[in-house]
Amino acid sequence: GAVVSQHPSRVICKSGTSVKIECRSLDFQATTMFWYRQFPKKSLMLMATSNEGSKATYEQGVEKDKFLINHASLTLSTLTVTSAHPEDSSFYICSAREGEGAGYTFGSGTRLTVV
Amino acid sequence: QKEVEQNSGPLSVPEGAIASLNCTYSDRVSQSFFWYRQYSGKSPELIMSIYSNGDKEDGRFTAQLNKASQYVSLLIRDSQPSDSATYLCAVKERAAGNKLTFGGGTRVLVKP
Repeated sequence: GAVVSQHPSRVICKSGTSVKIECRSLDFQATTMFWYRQFPKKSLMLMATSNEGSKATYEQGVEKDKFLINHASLTLSTLTVTSAHPEDSSFYICSAREGEGAGYTFGSGTRLTVV
Repeated sequence: QKEVEQNSGPLSVPEGAIASLNCTYSDRVSQSFFWYRQYSGKSPELIMSIYSNGDKEDGRFTAQLNKASQYVSLLIRDSQPSDSATYLCAVKERAAGNKLTFGGGTRVLVKP
């Protein structure tokens, strides 16, 4: 089945620094990837839709200058949290779909802690 | 705003019993429905997808879809302690760029 590899799984960074999270589709081409954030005991909230070769589409309330998304190839999308603050601490998860009729496969998630 | 609603639980079921989870959605033109299982600290895993009215069975899991009533349910037969997790209902809208809207999740506890 489809596999989405996400790295790192955990990261601790200092307030004010930037963190990059990578997601790769290992055995399929993902023209679209989705980035979610999940707070403890809450559901997944879609942050943005990442489209290969074009600008990401951000959900309402998500700052595009703070959460930079790059989807440079059909198998790689990155999310960079810039000038991170403690309130950005969360579980970030990417997702991709192999094709029409297929389910959405999730990466393993990245636990970001900003201290 | 389009919504997907689930009871947060916890839904406590004895081992071997049937766990029944429900999900309602507000967007009448939704076309694809998914159930995911999420263990604490892990990312969601796809259990079932369903696109047409009726039942769809896969092992111990059965998804039921009723588009007229705008609900989708998941039955877990012969529940095992390893089924203890949060179950997320997700809906794909027809004209929403393939993105999913998730419900808040139902926490299931299977007691030995």
